[in-house]
Order: sequence, then structure tokens, then C-alpha cells
Amino acid sequence: AQSVTQLGSHVSVSEGALVLLRCNYSSSVPPYLFWYVQYPNQGLQLLLKYTSAATLVKGINGFEAEFKKSETSFHLTKPSAHMSDAAEYFCAVSGVSGGYNKLIFGAGTRLAVHP
Amino acid sequence: DAGVIQSPRHEVTEMGQEVTLRCKPISGHDYLFWYRQTMMRGLELLIYFNNNVPIDDSGMPEDRFSAKMPNASFSTLKIQPSEPRDSAVYFCASSSSGRGHGYTFGSGTRLTVV
Repeated sequence: AQSVTQLGSHVSVSEGALVLLRCNYSSSVPPYLFWYVQYPNQGLQLLLKYTSAATLVKGINGFEAEFKKSETSFHLTKPSAHMSDAAEYFCAVSGVSGGYNKLIFGAGTRLAVHP
Repeated sequence: DAGVIQSPRHEVTEMGQEVTLRCKPISGHDYLFWYRQTMMRGLELLIYFNNNVPIDDSGMPEDRFSAKMPNASFSTLKIQPSEPRDSAVYFCASSSSGRGHGYTFGSGTRLTVV
């Protein structure tokens, strides 16, 4: 079975500060991991994904995430926050069960960026 | 590619009325998912289809909810009769087979039942 835990339902940072959003996963198979972003009144948009290639994955808008098997983590980072990064972020793990493709989403972390 | 297209974007209806939400997945995607998002419950998977066949509807909250996928390019989610607690944003997403693809989400339908 697969599951995802996002630590911190709300994170607040200053503009220009480091963004760190935490995600830990549990998976009975080698995991494929995803980060999605949801801007207000929009659907979820893929930020980046890990599919067993490079452990450091770069995504859109300057975000990146590092897969750490020993820590079962896939934390999302950005060196310098912009006001436009304010959104909700979802971590997800993909498992295969019964022959179908299913994403298990975390509860989400709402990122606020203040001047 | 126009992405996943949902209609309407907003729907306001009175309690007891039938509501139909529509979704056009990305051409070539063989999986289609319906999600509901609320502040209280977050993102919930309602049902998903593979090659137009419903695979898992265990997330459908009640018999008032039904979903169909008559062909590869169209799906509907129907609520009959609607209730105020059905107010939420409903998302459709589609995906190709394989674990590494992830989902592409539509912009959602914001449903308000008064």
C-alpha cells in the first residue's frame, strides 16, 4: 500500500526566503513521486516528478525536489520565494495495484508568501 | 493540446435539482478520474475509469451520485437530487497508462447548492 504525509498544513515565508515543503511517503513498491501546485480557483498543475532516474528533480518555476530513499522523503524546495508562489502544494505517490495507475495525494500544504 | 476541459466552470442550483458536470479528457489518455475538493475533506477520489469502463467507484458518496463515460472523449458526473452538502469543486483528470505519467487536471467545476 502507498501513502503520503505532508508535514505542515500551512507554511509562511518572506519573499526571497527559502521555501521548504515536506513530504514523506510509504510505498510497498519502488515509488514514483509527484508534486502538484494549485493556484486559487484553478486545477492542480504538475510541478515535477520523480520516476527512478536522477534523485534531484527540477521542475517549473524554479522548484526542485530530492528523493531520499533512506529517509522516505521527497521534500520540495525553492531558493527564493516569490509572491506568485503563494498556492497550495500537493505531494503524491503512484502505486500500481490491480493493474491500474492510481495517485495517492497528501493533504496539501498551503504556502503563504509575505513581503 | 487544450488539456482536460470541464464544463460548466460554475454551477449554482437549488436543492433537489439534478446537476450534470461534464469532462473531456486529453485525447489518447485511457484513464479518467473524478475528484471532489472541499475545505473540510480536501481532495477526494470519487470514481475512475479505464478505457471507458468504471473501475473503482468506492469513493462515490451516495447513490445520488452517478458517473458515465460513453466514449473515450466524454464523461459526466451527475448528482440527483442535489443537496447543500454537495457544494464543492469537482475536478476531472486524465492520464495515460503507466506509473510515471501523473495526471492532467481540468480547471474544475465549482458547484453551489442552495
